[in-house]
Amino acid sequence: EIVLTQSPGTLSLSPGERATLSCRASQSVSSSYLAWYQQKRGQPPRLLIYGASSRATGIPDRFSGSGSGTDFTLIISRLEPEDFAVYYCQQYGTSLYRFGQGTKLEIK
Amino acid sequence: QEQLVQSGSEVKKPGASVKVSCKASGSTFTNYFFHWVRQAPGQGLEWMGIINPRGGNRTYAQKLQGRVTMTRDMSTSTVYMELRSLRSEDTAVYYCARDRVTHAFDVWGKGTTVTVSS
Repeated sequence: EIVLTQSPGTLSLSPGERATLSCRASQSVSSSYLAWYQQKRGQPPRLLIYGASSRATGIPDRFSGSGSGTDFTLIISRLEPEDFAVYYCQQYGTSLYRFGQGTKLEIK
Repeated sequence: QEQLVQSGSEVKKPGASVKVSCKASGSTFTNYFFHWVRQAPGQGLEWMGIINPRGGNRTYAQKLQGRVTMTRDMSTSTVYMELRSLRSEDTAVYYCARDRVTHAFDVWGKGTTVTVSS
């Protein structure tokens, strides 16, 4: 069973700074099936990135995704106040779907 | 406007069952897969299963096998998730989500809170 491990657990940054979030899989996964979500308190998740690097509809270009194999990264180039939230990676493989445990991005 | 509208909150006793609905609008129902994802209070996201409306094929998370059933009603573009033998650990917000066959969830319902308490 593939396990997704996100790091760090909590990231404290200031608006305007660059955020780098990591998602590591316990075994190689297809980059076609790696996605990132943002979730704010009391709201459902919002799809940011699919296929490891494709931005979903309406997602600002300050969000970018990259990676392959077992290591994937979400970068927010310049943090806006509305970007402080929890971020999850998600993977599909062998008919099953899995989420990472999440990274909380908080204001420093 | 593409949206998923879920049924309202539920309070159930341990051992009971709950059935949550999710009505899709604004797009062709059979062009997508639908997933159920739950989130316990203060916890992360847990994938529960997927249903393909076109053929009704379903796959469930191993942890929930035997307790969960996902169905669909083609006439109303609605998917359902029934969870049986409820336990306190099943207290969570239950989300339905749409998948454009990219295996990513691009539209989400607002969530249905299910509370299991004696």
